[in-house]
Amino acid sequence: GQSLEQPSEVTAVEGAIVQINCTYQTSGFYGLSWYQQHDGGAPTFLSYNALDGLEETGRFSSFLSRSDSYGYLLLQELQMKDSASYFCAVRDQDSNYQLIWGAGTKLIIKP
Amino acid sequence: DGGITQSPKYLFRKEGQNVTLSCEQNLNHDAMYWYRQDPGQGLRLIYYSQIVNDFQKGDIAEGYSVSREKKESFPLTVTSAQKNPTAFYLCASSIDGVRNSPLHFGNGTRLTVT
Repeated sequence: GQSLEQPSEVTAVEGAIVQINCTYQTSGFYGLSWYQQHDGGAPTFLSYNALDGLEETGRFSSFLSRSDSYGYLLLQELQMKDSASYFCAVRDQDSNYQLIWGAGTKLIIKP
Repeated sequence: DGGITQSPKYLFRKEGQNVTLSCEQNLNHDAMYWYRQDPGQGLRLIYYSQIVNDFQKGDIAEGYSVSREKKESFPLTVTSAQKNPTAFYLCASSIDGVRNSPLHFGNGTRLTVT
């Protein structure tokens, strides 16, 4: 079957660095995406990895290892506004390239 | 500004009634999607459309229907056949329906059925 696993909740301190992991099991992996969603709001796209390695966009970086079926989102210099839920999603060739979503990780930031 | 508009933000209905959720985009995107989000769960795909006048069922299409008569519009009808309709519904669009096109989401409609 197809599944994604990510921690349900992560807590970190303002100014620190936090890593949110995502492991996946899909038959037709085509790429790993990350989305951010504030409470009650719309998910917004953060990053996409199709190939192994690190992609950096400002304070956020995303990593992919296809051989390990694993990726992570790294958030640096945490700010209170980063408090949100973060979803990993895999694009799956065998599902007509539609996204399969993880359950989300709630990031709690303490001052 | 380009974007996706969902209306209304909150919707209340009695059990047994059909209800239609609106989704309009002015991004000129070919593909549009409807997702359902329940607490503590990831997004689940209801229906998607990669081009006007064509749409496909997602993972949880039972009890829902859609139409795509115009590129800009992709309304979702929650029918009385949907057993647990109370949820947060998100509409999204992307440039195309495949590959790595990121999804742009509307602000969602929270539907409560009693």
